[in-house]
Amino acid sequence: EAAVTQSPRSKVAVTGGKVTLSCHQTNNHDYMYWYRQDTGHGLRLIHYSYVADSTEKGDIPDGYKASRPSQENFSLILELASLSQTAVYFCASSDSANTEVFFGKGTRLTVV
Amino acid sequence: GDQVKQSPSALSLQEGTNSALRCNFSIATTTVQWFLQNPRGSLMNLFYLVPGTKENGRLKSTFNSKESYSTLHIRDAQLEDSGTYFCAADTNAYKVIFGKGTHLHVLP
Repeated sequence: EAAVTQSPRSKVAVTGGKVTLSCHQTNNHDYMYWYRQDTGHGLRLIHYSYVADSTEKGDIPDGYKASRPSQENFSLILELASLSQTAVYFCASSDSANTEVFFGKGTRLTVV
Repeated sequence: GDQVKQSPSALSLQEGTNSALRCNFSIATTTVQWFLQNPRGSLMNLFYLVPGTKENGRLKSTFNSKESYSTLHIRDAQLEDSGTYFCAADTNAYKVIFGKGTHLHVLP
């Protein structure tokens, strides 16, 4: 079974502060993704990566940076957190671009 | 408009009954995934489909690529089936596009 672990599972951040969300996968997958879910909506792609030391913009990258220091780890960075970034963030991995995607349990971020 | 449109948006079912959820695609889709988000928020993989049909216990899913839709059939609904069902379309690029989900409530 795929294993994608996110930390922290929840966080309260202050407006203007820096937030780092971490993701670790043990699936030996090349692709990793960060999605955002807002209440009552589906998931929207923020950033993704298909190889270590490289990241790509997804559909809603503004206000977010990503880092892929190794195949196993993928971080999402909010340099200046804003109220509008309050959401649940999901990390995911897949073997390649068009294969089954496996999700972590999510991180609930509240910006106050 | 939505590239992945799910219907219905919400549904209440009596325990023991059957129902079908639908996903329509307005984009070229190579594979489809179905997920269940449980009340705790975790996303569970249900099906990963190329064109065709898969079955797993009380769940069956079909992906018709020619007519651009997928269905998820739930047979003999149980209380633990409650949650939000998402379908997601794999495009020819890197990304998976999600529908907005169907909120299912199974009633005792």
